[in-house]
Amino acid sequence: DGGITQSPKYLFRKEGQNVTLSCEQNLNHDAMYWYRQDPGQGLRLIYYSQIVNDFQKGDIAEGYSVSREKKESFPLTVTSAQKNPTAFYLCASSIERDYQETQYFGPGTRLLVL
Amino acid sequence: RKEVEQDPGPFNVPEGATVAFNCTYSNSASQSFFWYRQDCRKEPKLLMSVYSSGNEDGRFTAQLNRASQYISLLIRDSKLSDSATYLCVVRGDYIPTFGRGTSLIVHP
Repeated sequence: DGGITQSPKYLFRKEGQNVTLSCEQNLNHDAMYWYRQDPGQGLRLIYYSQIVNDFQKGDIAEGYSVSREKKESFPLTVTSAQKNPTAFYLCASSIERDYQETQYFGPGTRLLVL
Repeated sequence: RKEVEQDPGPFNVPEGATVAFNCTYSNSASQSFFWYRQDCRKEPKLLMSVYSSGNEDGRFTAQLNRASQYISLLIRDSKLSDSATYLCVVRGDYIPTFGRGTSLIVHP
């Protein structure tokens, strides 16, 4: 089945530790995105990538890094510089459908700080 | 400056009721509009795109009012399974902006 997968479902981070969240898609979508969602809040864009080997900062990129070496993969690293990383992280990819760029989401990763 | 605003609710309605949500946006150059549904602790799922002429999908009707810069979602004959948070999404040049969502609770 085609879709977007994220792993792990839950991730625990210790103080000062970098952690990497995986996002893979087999939908052949060009664009991919990372969002953060805090309780009762909307989705906030961290990074996005429109093509391989290119990515752009979103609204809250500080303390995060990404890479886009393959079309299918867009991993997100939460660095020790991100002081409040506890959140629900959502990866999405998009394709033009009916003249609109439509996003589809993975199941998300919950990151908790120990 | 809030670019996309939604009433957080919750909207508490009985089964079979009709309920409507609005979402206002500030960027008059916005091109694309969507409604997503998000269940508790799950990812958002596309409910429907919103077209200029309005569009319907079963019990769901979406409308766009460019002059007043809002979109709406109407749900007819509410089901218990419609209970969720409904996210409004507005897309300008390239980046989509999400509203905080409107919570709907449908009770027996």
